[in-house]
Amino acid sequence: GAVVSQHPSWVICKSGTSVKIECRSLDFQATTMFWYRQFPKQSLMLMATSNEGSKATYEQGVEKDKFLINHASLTLSTLTVTSAHPEDSSFYICSARDQGEGYTFGSGTRLTVV
Amino acid sequence: GDSVTQMEGPVTLSEEAFLTINCTYTATGYPSLFWYVQYPGEGLQLLLKATKADDKGSNKGFEATYRKETTSFHLEKGSVQVSDSAVYFCALSVDQGGKLIFGQGTELSVKP
Repeated sequence: GAVVSQHPSWVICKSGTSVKIECRSLDFQATTMFWYRQFPKQSLMLMATSNEGSKATYEQGVEKDKFLINHASLTLSTLTVTSAHPEDSSFYICSARDQGEGYTFGSGTRLTVV
Repeated sequence: GDSVTQMEGPVTLSEEAFLTINCTYTATGYPSLFWYVQYPGEGLQLLLKATKADDKGSNKGFEATYRKETTSFHLEKGSVQVSDSAVYFCALSVDQGGKLIFGQGTELSVKP
């Protein structure tokens, strides 16, 4: 079946630094990927829709200058959290619409900003 | 706007008990409906889906039927196991290839 690989699975960074999270579709091409944020014991909040070769579409209330999304190829989308602060600590999950199977999710990235 | 509402958790059951997790939705158009499962510390895995009214999705003993008249997609399993302990999310997608809208999730804990 379709596989989406997300790296790193966890990262700790200092406040003020930037962190990049990668999301790769391993066995299919994904023209569209989605980035979610999940707070403890809460649902997934869609942050943005990443489109290959064009600008991402951000949901209302999500700072696009803080959460930079790049979808440079049909198999890779990246989320960069710039100038991270402790309130950005969260679980970030990417997903891609695969061919006929629905949506395939990455295993998530636990970001802790200290 | 489009939305999904799930029954609140946590739900605690004994092994081999019957499970129902209620899910209702509001949507314009004709959504596809999904159930996803999230094990601790992991991403989401598709459990089952249904794309049109009266479809029944099933997988690993779980079932859900797309009920347009009641705008519901309740998840059921006849006999749960300890390994079913996880958080379950109901979701919908209105547009082909469009974004998923999730319910708030229901945590299930199955005790031996």
